[in-house]
Amino acid sequence: DAGITQSPRHKVTETGTPVTLRCHQTENHRYMYWYRQDPGHGLRLIHYSYGVKDTDKGEVSDGYSVSRSKTEDFLLTLESATSSQTSVYFCAISLSGPNSPLHFGNGTRLTVT
Amino acid sequence: GIQVEQSPPDLILQEGANSTLRCNFSDSVNNLQWFHQNPWGQLINLFYIPSGTKQNGRLSATTVATERYSLLYISSSQTTDSGVYFCAVAQKLVFGQGTRLTINP
Repeated sequence: DAGITQSPRHKVTETGTPVTLRCHQTENHRYMYWYRQDPGHGLRLIHYSYGVKDTDKGEVSDGYSVSRSKTEDFLLTLESATSSQTSVYFCAISLSGPNSPLHFGNGTRLTVT
Repeated sequence: GIQVEQSPPDLILQEGANSTLRCNFSDSVNNLQWFHQNPWGQLINLFYIPSGTKQNGRLSATTVATERYSLLYISSSQTTDSGVYFCAVAQKLVFGQGTRLTINP
């Protein structure tokens, strides 16, 4: 157990509503990541953070924003949820960036109706 | 961007069999990781192996960075090895599409 908690674990929401997913870590790792997993697409990077208030975009960042005000928390916000954002969202952490082992949380299953 | 291809896409074996999973990548990399996603959806890091060979119990991995591939070996398969195996490469950890492994008792 890498000390990563994602909340909520499951959520159903309506199109057009904002949604925030939370990732909390107890490992004091500098790097945190948000991925989405979809059938046929594998895992794709949405955003990542390399420190408090330091974030950058990944491959599929459109429609998402992130914030990191504390080392332990990384929030992913869907500003106006769409059905194409129905997915399983995984948070991950690594101690010293991509060149160190990546550890995942248990995921959040989001359904946008 | 970098392309990552895994083969085979699906593999069905009997308990006790050995297997080799392959990950090809299109550019030089400085990190390569293997993950197992179990049937409950949990992603577990198996190896961080940018080059060379590592072993952990029945699992071992070899990366030949100069030839742009990595192999994951599973010996004496058990039903608990079932799931999807992903490799991930490059600076922003681009994932392959995975190999779905099913071990039948």
